[in-house]
Amino acid sequence: GDSVTQMEGPVTLSEEAFLTINCTYTATGYPSLFWYVQYPGEGLQLLLKATKADDKGSNKGFEATYRKETTSFHLEKGSVQVSDSAVYFCALSDDDTGNQFYFGTGTSLTVIP
Amino acid sequence: DAGVTQSPTHLIKTRGQQVTLRCSPKSGHDTVSWYQQALGQGPQFIFQYYEEEERQRGNFPDRFSGHQFPNYSSELNVNALLLGDSALYLCASSSGRNEQYFGPGTRLTVT
Repeated sequence: GDSVTQMEGPVTLSEEAFLTINCTYTATGYPSLFWYVQYPGEGLQLLLKATKADDKGSNKGFEATYRKETTSFHLEKGSVQVSDSAVYFCALSDDDTGNQFYFGTGTSLTVIP
Repeated sequence: DAGVTQSPTHLIKTRGQQVTLRCSPKSGHDTVSWYQQALGQGPQFIFQYYEEEERQRGNFPDRFSGHQFPNYSSELNVNALLLGDSALYLCASSSGRNEQYFGPGTRLTVT
C-alpha cells in the first residue's frame, strides 16, 4: 500500500543553519507530494507541493524536489529562523486512489537563537 | 474567507459514550475528509465524503461513522468510545483532486 517514511526527530538547529528533513514514499500510482507544517496548538498548513516527477515545490524559503528515481521528497531550507519551529509532515496523495492523503509521522523542528 | 472550521475545540467524554464532531469546509469546497491524529503521530485517514456519500474509508472500525449535508458541512460520529480514541480529530476540505485545507481540529479526551 501507499506510505510515507520521514526522518525521525526531534531536530534542533541554531538560527541560520541549513535544514534537511528526509522523506521517502511508496506508491502504486503517480502520487502528488506535499509538505505540511503544524504549529503548536494548530491544524496543518500546506507548505509546498509537487505534482509530478522533477517538479520543485517552494514556499517561504523552503524547497523540495520530487525525485521519482529515489522516491524521495526531501525538505530543505538554507537558513532557518526561530519562527520555523514546528512539526513538519510529508504526505502523498495517490491519484489512483482519489484524494486520500497518507502522512508521515512528522518531524519536530526546534530552532534556537 | 473563514477557511475550514471545526467544533467543538475540546471535548471530554467517558468510555462507552458517543460523540459528534462538526466541520464546515472552506468556501467553494465540496469534499470533506476526516483524520485522527494521535499524540506524536501523523494524521490517519478515517474517511472522505463527497456528494453526501462516503467515497473512501481508511482502516477504522464501524464505530466511526459520518455524514455530509447538502451545504457540504460534515459530522464525524464515534460510538462506544474507547480510551484509545483520545486524539486530535482533523477535518480537511478540498475541491477536486487538489490539496486539502485543514481545520484547527477537535481535541477529544476519553476518560
